[in-house]
Amino acid sequence: EDQVTQSPEALRLQEGESSSLNCSYTVSGLRGLFWYRQDPGKGPEFLFTLYSAGEEKEKERLKATLTKKESFLHITAPKPEDSATYLCAVRGYTGTASKLTFGTGTRLQVTL
Amino acid sequence: DTGVSQNPRHKITKRGQNVTFRCDPISEHNRLYWYRQTLGQGPEFLTYFQNEAQLEKSRLLSDRFSAERPKGSFSTLEIQRTEQGDSAMYLCASSYEIGDGENIQYFGAGTRLSVL
Repeated sequence: EDQVTQSPEALRLQEGESSSLNCSYTVSGLRGLFWYRQDPGKGPEFLFTLYSAGEEKEKERLKATLTKKESFLHITAPKPEDSATYLCAVRGYTGTASKLTFGTGTRLQVTL
Repeated sequence: DTGVSQNPRHKITKRGQNVTFRCDPISEHNRLYWYRQTLGQGPEFLTYFQNEAQLEKSRLLSDRFSAERPKGSFSTLEIQRTEQGDSAMYLCASSYEIGDGENIQYFGAGTRLSVL
């Protein structure tokens, strides 16, 4: 069974203080690793998808990287509007190989 | 707005009542997914459709739950004889995929169910 573990559970940063979120996974053949952002009371918003070890993707202050066992979401010089829960999910070859298995997320708070 | 649309956004019901939620996917998407999310947890997969065919169901989907996607367009999720443990956010997602290609699931805003 596919599993995703995210750390830390919660992270508080000051504006401009860079950090990284971790996503460790076990999966029966990786078909994709996904990062989503979720604001309170809303659905997850797609950020990135990574497919193979060594792959990196960037979007504004966010950069996602992937190894064979984990992924990192690096946040450079965060702003208060980056405050949200960041969810990591994997898609493996279990079942019909379509569902996403999510971690419990990292709640990020960025203060002035 | 061409995103995934879910209705209602909030539903309050009494234990034992039946409830039905609707999801309208992004128009060209052939796959539709239902997930459930409880407080402090990530979304958990319930079921998915490719066009009108329901291809996978989670063990979480008890016999009180049923989902349909008639004509491969919108989908409904019905919960019969609701229990307090059914209180959660029900999320719908859709994607477009042919064969073994890229699959990005786009989520709606969810329906929050409260069972009293």
